Amino acid sequence: DAMVIQNPRYQVTQFGKPVTLSCSQTLNHNVMYWYQQKSSQAPKLLFHYYDKDFNNEADTPDNFQSRRPNTSFCFLDIRSPGLGDAAMYLCATSSFAGETQYFGPGTRLLVL
Amino acid sequence: SQQGEEDPQALSIQEGENATMNCSYKTSINNLQWYRQNSGRGLVHLILIRSNEREKHSGRLRVTLDTSKKSSSLLITASRAADTASYFCATEGNFGNEKLTFGTGTRLTIIP
Repeated sequence: DAMVIQNPRYQVTQFGKPVTLSCSQTLNHNVMYWYQQKSSQAPKLLFHYYDKDFNNEADTPDNFQSRRPNTSFCFLDIRSPGLGDAAMYLCATSSFAGETQYFGPGTRLLVL
Repeated sequence: SQQGEEDPQALSIQEGENATMNCSYKTSINNLQWYRQNSGRGLVHLILIRSNEREKHSGRLRVTLDTSKKSSSLLITASRAADTASYFCATEGNFGNEKLTFGTGTRLTIIP
């Protein structure tokens, strides 16, 4: 089945230790998104790629970076995680911008 | 911010009853979407309604859109225990900026 896959589902890291979250898709969608979602809050968009064009939200901290080496894969790098970065990180894709988004199951990040 | 507000924040009803959730937004939109999120999981797309549409149905779901009031409602008829989840509206602004803005969500609990 075509889908959006996120690995790992749970990630524990230490304060200040870099961590990378991964997302892959078999939908062949042009657009990929990374969201941060904290408990009982709405998903907050961090970045999105339209094909290879990278779009950073104005309020996304510099501590967060992203890579999209090809259509199928997208990575979220957190250079120096702080306690406030503990959250669920959601990856999503869409065939065209602004249309239906297909979400992965998320990676829950815990920072110790 | 274009972020939508959802009302109520939380809703508990008996199984079999209808559940209505409302979403208000601030700026002109191309479309409005509703998503469901089970606890600790990714979001699942439910329905998309375009700005030139007033009502849409999908199974037990009915969505209305009033662009003059900048509001939408999601009605779930004959609720089931499995409908227990958080429900988010998301809007695509007509700025051509390729992203959705999510509302604050309604936490729905169906009591068996």
